[in-house]
Amino acid sequence: GAVVSQHPSWVICKSGTSVKIECRSLDFQATTMFWYRQFPKQSLMLMATSNEGSKATYEQGVEKDKFLINHASLTLSTLTVTSAHPEDSSFYICSARVSGTRETQYFGPGTRLLVL
Amino acid sequence: AQKVTQAQTEISVVEKEDVTLDCVYETRDTTYYLFWYKQPPSGELVFLIRRNSFDEQNEISGRYSWNFQKSTSSFNFTITASQVVDSAVYFCALSWAGGTSYGKLTFGQGTILTVHP
Repeated sequence: GAVVSQHPSWVICKSGTSVKIECRSLDFQATTMFWYRQFPKQSLMLMATSNEGSKATYEQGVEKDKFLINHASLTLSTLTVTSAHPEDSSFYICSARVSGTRETQYFGPGTRLLVL
Repeated sequence: AQKVTQAQTEISVVEKEDVTLDCVYETRDTTYYLFWYKQPPSGELVFLIRRNSFDEQNEISGRYSWNFQKSTSSFNFTITASQVVDSAVYFCALSWAGGTSYGKLTFGQGTILTVHP
């Protein structure tokens, strides 16, 4: 089956540093990817829609300057948390929609971010 | 606006019991998809089912079954003869099926299922 990978799987960083998280579709092309955030013991909330070759679309309340998204190829989207703070500590999950389909998408395994 | 409500925050059962997880949704769209995902402690989401709003047939897959009732906007999930390995957080989710919005999932709050041996 199709696989979506995320790197790193977990990261610990100091407050004020930036962290980049990669989301890759390993055996299919994904024009559109989505980034979700999940705080401990809470549900998943959509942060933004990443579109290959164009600007990402952010959900209401998500700071686009803090969460930079780049979708430079059909298999890779990156989320950069800039100037991370402890409140950004969360589980970040991406999903990738198979290009040319409306119905098929796959989730990555997630990245745990802890900001000290 | 879309909304998914999972009224049961936590459920605890003993192995071999049947358990039903409730899901109620709200949407103004006529075409949409409903999903169930399982999230074990590792955090990775495990896809269980996708249901199109036009398909109200119930589905059974092994010990899992789903009851979709459009009239009550519900999409309930039943595990028959539960096992310890079923312990996880289960999420119900909704996606509009139109345009480029497919894939933008609205998740319910999740139900923590604990199956005791």
